[in-house]
Amino acid sequence: DGGITQSPKYLFRKEGQNVTLSCEQNLNHDAMYWYRQDPGQGLRLIYYSQIVNDFQKGDIAEGYSVSREKKESFPLTVTSAQKNPTAFYLCASSFDRDQPQHFGDGTRLSIL
Amino acid sequence: GENVEQHPSTLSVQEGDSAVIKCTYSDSASNYFPWYKQELGKGPQLIIDIRSNVGEKKDQRIAVTLNKTAKHFSLHITETQPEDSAVYFCAARGTGTASKLTFGTGTRLQVTL
Repeated sequence: DGGITQSPKYLFRKEGQNVTLSCEQNLNHDAMYWYRQDPGQGLRLIYYSQIVNDFQKGDIAEGYSVSREKKESFPLTVTSAQKNPTAFYLCASSFDRDQPQHFGDGTRLSIL
Repeated sequence: GENVEQHPSTLSVQEGDSAVIKCTYSDSASNYFPWYKQELGKGPQLIIDIRSNVGEKKDQRIAVTLNKTAKHFSLHITETQPEDSAVYFCAARGTGTASKLTFGTGTRLQVTL
């Protein structure tokens, strides 16, 4: 089945630690996105990539980093510089920026 | 940048009734408006979308209308069923090389028996 796989489903971070969230897609999509979702709020864009080896900051990129070395993969690192990392993180992809975005089932990150 | 407002934040309807969720947007250049349904612990699922060259689109019990002059668009669900209970998000996308989706804050729909 084609789709977007996010792992792990739940992740815990200690103070001062970097953690990496995985996002893999087998839909042959060029564009990939990371969003953050907080209770009672809409989705906010962290980073996006329209093609391999290229990515741009979204609205709330501070404290996060990404890479796009392969078309299928777009990992997100939550660094220790992100002071409020507790949230639900969603990855999405689309054929290109003008096509509909489809989402994975998210990773919930909590602080120990 | 784009700003999207969504109302109501919660909506309770009886099974079989209709539900309407409304969104307004600020950027008159926005040209794409998707609606997503999110169930607990899951990612949002695209249920319907509309582009700015169309005023209305329907898919079975779900319809979306767009009023470009007033800069608002609405989701209509008819003959609601318990499985329609979820959080619904609207979004708008502007034009340009940096165009991106801006989401509303969501509507929690509860369909009661």
